Amino acid sequence: NAGVTQTPKFRVLKTGQSMTLLCAQDMNHEYMYWYRQDPGMGLRLIHYSVGEGTTAKGEVPDGYNVSRLKKQNFLLGLESAAPSQTSVYFCASSYSMGSSYEQYFGPGTRLTVT
Amino acid sequence: AQKVTQAQTEISVVEKEDVTLDCVYETRDTTYYLFWYKQPPSGELVFLIRRNSFDEQNEISGRYSWNFQKSTSSFNFTITASQVVDSAVYFCALKRESTSYGKLTFGQGTILTVHP
Repeated sequence: NAGVTQTPKFRVLKTGQSMTLLCAQDMNHEYMYWYRQDPGMGLRLIHYSVGEGTTAKGEVPDGYNVSRLKKQNFLLGLESAAPSQTSVYFCASSYSMGSSYEQYFGPGTRLTVT
Repeated sequence: AQKVTQAQTEISVVEKEDVTLDCVYETRDTTYYLFWYKQPPSGELVFLIRRNSFDEQNEISGRYSWNFQKSTSSFNFTITASQVVDSAVYFCALKRESTSYGKLTFGQGTILTVHP
């Protein structure tokens, strides 16, 4: 059981380039989330999804897009990367939005934009 | 608005010392959940504990214990007889009992370094 996996683990982009981060979970979870982690700021929610085909904005959505074409996958896209998007990105999933179900996190993707 | 504050940015202790990580939260909700996550140097986030707002019993799990005090809006985490493997960043997080979405509000994190 792999849990939550993220691809790639590391990436360096130049300003203006685009890329897609892939998150996959094998726990049949309905809900998936993308966070970014920056020093001294904890984790902040970028976008989330409550089920296949649905997505919504979180706390810091600007500059990102997401898609949930399959229940097990949640993609995070950067159309035109900026240095301010240098961060560690975490994907998470949970069985239910009900608060009793904790979120399971992937290993993270370290992105540097030069 | 919700907020989680971990006032201790970094803590450094020597092995076998006890250490307490503070977490103070703000919310207007009467029903909510509190979490602690551990982020070791390898980077992944590991779930440690969940506590709901109606359960103020303290919990102990091995060397770990948690003290939830609703009156002071605090959910502190104590490691007894710390070990080098406890070195990590620890995050406290808050989640609303809500039908909208299950957003976790994280604190800034506390970097714990345990020296041999």
